[in-house]
Amino acid sequence: GENVEQHPSTLSVQEGDSAVIKCTYSDSASNYFPWYKQELGKGPQLIIDIRSNVGEKKDQRIAVTLNKTAKHFSLHITETQPEDSAVYFCADHGGYNKLIFGAGTRLAVHP
Amino acid sequence: SQTIHQWPATLVQPVGSPLSLECTVEGTSNPNLYWYRQAAGRGLQLLFYSVGIGQISSEVPQNLSASRPQDRQFILSSKKLLLSDSGFYLCAWRSTPGAGGSFAEAFFGQGTRLTVV
Repeated sequence: GENVEQHPSTLSVQEGDSAVIKCTYSDSASNYFPWYKQELGKGPQLIIDIRSNVGEKKDQRIAVTLNKTAKHFSLHITETQPEDSAVYFCADHGGYNKLIFGAGTRLAVHP
Repeated sequence: SQTIHQWPATLVQPVGSPLSLECTVEGTSNPNLYWYRQAAGRGLQLLFYSVGIGQISSEVPQNLSASRPQDRQFILSSKKLLLSDSGFYLCAWRSTPGAGGSFAEAFFGQGTRLTVV
């Protein structure tokens, strides 16, 4: 069945450093790869996504890269700030109607 | 614009009591609807999803059930709560094919924190 593996589960960085979170998917038919950010006590919100016909997408300090051959995609955050501290989730279609999430990465940015 | 409402925000229920959590979506038609549960410090576990009125797919065997009596209403229920049902419950929606399609993001409600005592 569909599966999304995400790592690391926790990540601690100093303010200004970069953070990278990686997800591996199993469904070859997957064609849309979103990343969500969940702040404490709230629901997740989309921060960036990428379609399968694109290798990289950037939005200011965040970027997502996709390697379809290896079936993995990564979230890159540069110049991290304390407000980037949150839980980040990758997701996969899982046959379109389902939306399966990775296990999440708790990012802590220390001033 | 589309909005999603989920209530209540917090709930404390005794073991063995019933449960009913409601989620409604405004500003869209025929959305896919989802219920997730999140244990403390853990990931998002997909419980149920629905592609239309009366159509429910269950992902995890448990003592919970879901219903979709109207196009934009999704209800999570239990007849008898267990301690293990405690968690943060999230409702979400996303567009179906032809209306945003397979590239559509999911929009989440603010969640219900359920504590079973």
